[in-house]
Amino acid sequence: GENVEQHPSTLSVQEGDSAVIKCTYSDSASNYFPWYKQELGKRPQLIIDIRSNVGEKKDQRIAVTLNKTAKHFSLHITETQPEDSAVYFCAASIYNYGQNFVFGPGTRLSVLP
Amino acid sequence: EAGVTQFPSHSVIEKGQTVTLRCDPISGHDNLYWYRRVMGKEIKFLLHFVKESKQDESGMPNNRFLAERTGGTYSTLKVQPAELEDSGVYFCASSQDRAGQDYGYTFGSGTRLTVV
Repeated sequence: GENVEQHPSTLSVQEGDSAVIKCTYSDSASNYFPWYKQELGKRPQLIIDIRSNVGEKKDQRIAVTLNKTAKHFSLHITETQPEDSAVYFCAASIYNYGQNFVFGPGTRLSVLP
Repeated sequence: EAGVTQFPSHSVIEKGQTVTLRCDPISGHDNLYWYRRVMGKEIKFLLHFVKESKQDESGMPNNRFLAERTGGTYSTLKVQPAELEDSGVYFCASSQDRAGQDYGYTFGSGTRLTVV
């Protein structure tokens, strides 16, 4: 089955700097890769996603890149702000009739003022 | 639109007791999923309903866990009898399956279960 690894487990950056979180997956059939942000005590929320037919996607300060050959994908946050502090989860799935995600273990991002 | 609602938000029970968690998905979402995050580890899949049917329950850890979704609306997840290792946050998520579109889930806020 699918296995998703995520690094680093914790990340501290200064406000305004960039943050990069990397994930690898094992199943080459996976074709959908969402990223979720979970703030303390709140629900995981989808912040960006990418499908296997695209190599990069950007939404304001957030971007995701996908390398299908190497089976890894990364989240890039630029100009970080304190409100970006949260736990970020990557996930991989194979689309079928209602897919089940395999999540990475999460990265705790702290943006220091 | 109302989001995915979970109840209770927190539950503390003694080992051996029974606890029932409830999830109300977004209205019209046929797909309902249960996940859990144990001791700060990754969020792991438990099971998936399509309407009232169990599509995939491969993630259910053992027969102490029973999930139901009568009528294809809300779902319950019962743990009986609870063990210490069942402590964690149980998330429910729902999605509206539209082939080729909108793969994302909407998560509930979770139920934090503590077994003492």
